[in-house]
Amino acid sequence: QVQLQESGPGLVKSSETLSLTCTVSGASISDSYWSWIRQRPGKGLEWIGYVSNSGTPNFNPSLKSRVTMSVDTSKNQLSLRLTSVTATDTAVYYCARQVTILEVIIVYFDSWGQGTQATVSS
Amino acid sequence: SFELTQPLSVSVALGQTARITCRGTSIESYNVHWYQQKPGQAPVLVIYTISGRPSAIPERFSGSNSGDTATLTISSAQDGDEADYYCQMWDTSSAVVFGGGTRLTVL
Repeated sequence: QVQLQESGPGLVKSSETLSLTCTVSGASISDSYWSWIRQRPGKGLEWIGYVSNSGTPNFNPSLKSRVTMSVDTSKNQLSLRLTSVTATDTAVYYCARQVTILEVIIVYFDSWGQGTQATVSS
Repeated sequence: SFELTQPLSVSVALGQTARITCRGTSIESYNVHWYQQKPGQAPVLVIYTISGRPSAIPERFSGSNSGDTATLTISSAQDGDEADYYCQMWDTSSAVVFGGGTRLTVL
């Protein structure tokens, strides 16, 4: 049973960089695609981007200029960096395992972490 | 970019059938997936690839997709089904798209 656990600072100052980590257990991070998804307070789900099993990223166009993602296979972790944050980046951030079969346009999320709250303060 | 439209809320009497819709242009051409999210919890996949069901999800949950509408159907609705439900697809512009979510209330 795959398990995902997000971690991060919780509080970030406006204009600074948010850095989050997702630790995966029960599966090799090299075997799947992995996504970050966020949920602003009282709002719906917003996909941030994914990193493929070969380390290739793909980002939501609306966030692309501020996002980087990477994987550390030695620690079985993936990371997210979001630069120049503002209050609108305050959200719960989830990492999720992504089932990906691009040849038939199938992409969905079968396992999710519990999420980590990130609050941007002024 | 592709847009998925869901009703803000749906109500269903206990034991009856709930249908939650997800509208998008020619959505029948896409694989649609559904998630359940209860308050304070992470989303859970309930339907994948239109009508597939993870092993832990009851048979009461089913999906369909036709024309401009994908539908999540929950038969014999129970109190424990009260949650927010989100549809999701992969857009041809290489992006994940979520619907806005539907709050299901069991009366």
